[in-house]
Amino acid sequence: GAGVSQSPSNKVTEKGKDVELRCDPISGHTALYWYRQSLGQGLEFLIYFQGNSAPDKSGLPSDRFSAERTGGSVSTLTIQRTQQEDSAVYLCASSFVGHGSSYEQYFGPGTRLTVT
Amino acid sequence: RKEVEQDPGPFNVPEGATVAFNCTYSNSASQSFFWYRQDCRKEPKLLMSVYSSGNEDGRFTAQLNRASQYISLLIRDSKLSDSATYLCVVPTRGGTSYGKLTFGQGTILTVHP
Repeated sequence: GAGVSQSPSNKVTEKGKDVELRCDPISGHTALYWYRQSLGQGLEFLIYFQGNSAPDKSGLPSDRFSAERTGGSVSTLTIQRTQQEDSAVYLCASSFVGHGSSYEQYFGPGTRLTVT
Repeated sequence: RKEVEQDPGPFNVPEGATVAFNCTYSNSASQSFFWYRQDCRKEPKLLMSVYSSGNEDGRFTAQLNRASQYISLLIRDSKLSDSATYLCVVPTRGGTSYGKLTFGQGTILTVHP
């Protein structure tokens, strides 16, 4: 079946511009996660959506970062006034969270963001 | 103790060798655990899930020691294609973290001819 998809796969932007990254989770998955990974580093949690609950935004590094999830499916991560330190791979994952589920997360291929 | 702690390596082993990685975790209430592998410039992919004392899948064996709060991954008969970073993953503790996972920093494995 279809996995998690993300677009664009690569994005080059100038410092100060806004960018939007999109994630389409696996159909039926209730939870959606955004992470970022800088070169040679581990995964940094950004934000978590679960069903209709308020999102867990505890990982967002600044108020320039925001995300929304429309209709419990597609999510958009927006970075305003991009800075060079925002350059990283942004990974989206989804999982089924519910009674008896095991929470395995499945990742999309990521969006490689380069801020020049 | 960190939520998830792994030896970063790198582990450099010849083909055919057996190699083991350990991972310690702090959330004693965790019930499920995972090993992911991540190839260079690729996304993490689920390798194994561990719910009881362990799990075996071909050349890969994961073992869980709840008393000592560690998980191990054993790879037998290493192949060149096993070269990757291996991520230990456990449920996040506390707050509204239901369903969230915490990823370790990863252990780098290089298998050479």
